[in-house]
Amino acid sequence: DQQVKQNSPSLSVQEGRISILNCDYTNSMFDYFLWYKKYPAEGPTFLISISSIKDKNEDGRFTVFLNKSAKHLSLHIVPSQPGDSAVYFCAASPRLIFSNDYKLSFGAGTTVTVRA
Amino acid sequence: DAGVTQSPTHLIKTRGQQVTLRCSPKSGHDTVSWYQQALGQGPQFIFQYYEEEERQRGNFPDRFSGHQFPNYSSELNVNALLLGDSALYLCASSWGPQEGYTFGSGTRLTVV
Repeated sequence: DQQVKQNSPSLSVQEGRISILNCDYTNSMFDYFLWYKKYPAEGPTFLISISSIKDKNEDGRFTVFLNKSAKHLSLHIVPSQPGDSAVYFCAASPRLIFSNDYKLSFGAGTTVTVRA
Repeated sequence: DAGVTQSPTHLIKTRGQQVTLRCSPKSGHDTVSWYQQALGQGPQFIFQYYEEEERQRGNFPDRFSGHQFPNYSSELNVNALLLGDSALYLCASSWGPQEGYTFGSGTRLTVV
């Protein structure tokens, strides 16, 4: 039962242009959303997060947008740089005050390749 | 400041054998979670340990068990290995159940 879906397995973008990664979720109890970046032979590293009380969060070149009614979030990277080439995972977790569910549910990932 | 340390980095086991993976959390972190990442998939939650007890468990069979020690380090044990257990096993530590997950580089387990 895949509750977090990243339907694009790969994305190729030219250096300097915008990268847009998409993520959909099905569990309405999800309250907190995160993006992780993973290089080969390394563990995922936290990139940016957003809680359901906001619809946008920005950190430097990275912006996450949340559309709760559509159960959709996206990550924008502007401008894209060669060092951004990695696998990006979307993750979600539920409201802790309503459940004892502590786990993160991950999507399958999107491999981003930034072309010089 | 050392991050999350996992050992070994790579491991090859035969079907039916048992394996133990180890994780040392980031300094100041008291909670350890284990995830399995199969090829082409995202990490799947196995279980989480806090105060030396399993606080939550994902949809994994009882062949998967764990332990947390008083120094917050943790072990993941898998018995009766199957070919399908081949994956990258990730340990994540945090202060509290979800705050600021830090992942280790993982242990690549291959079952032959």
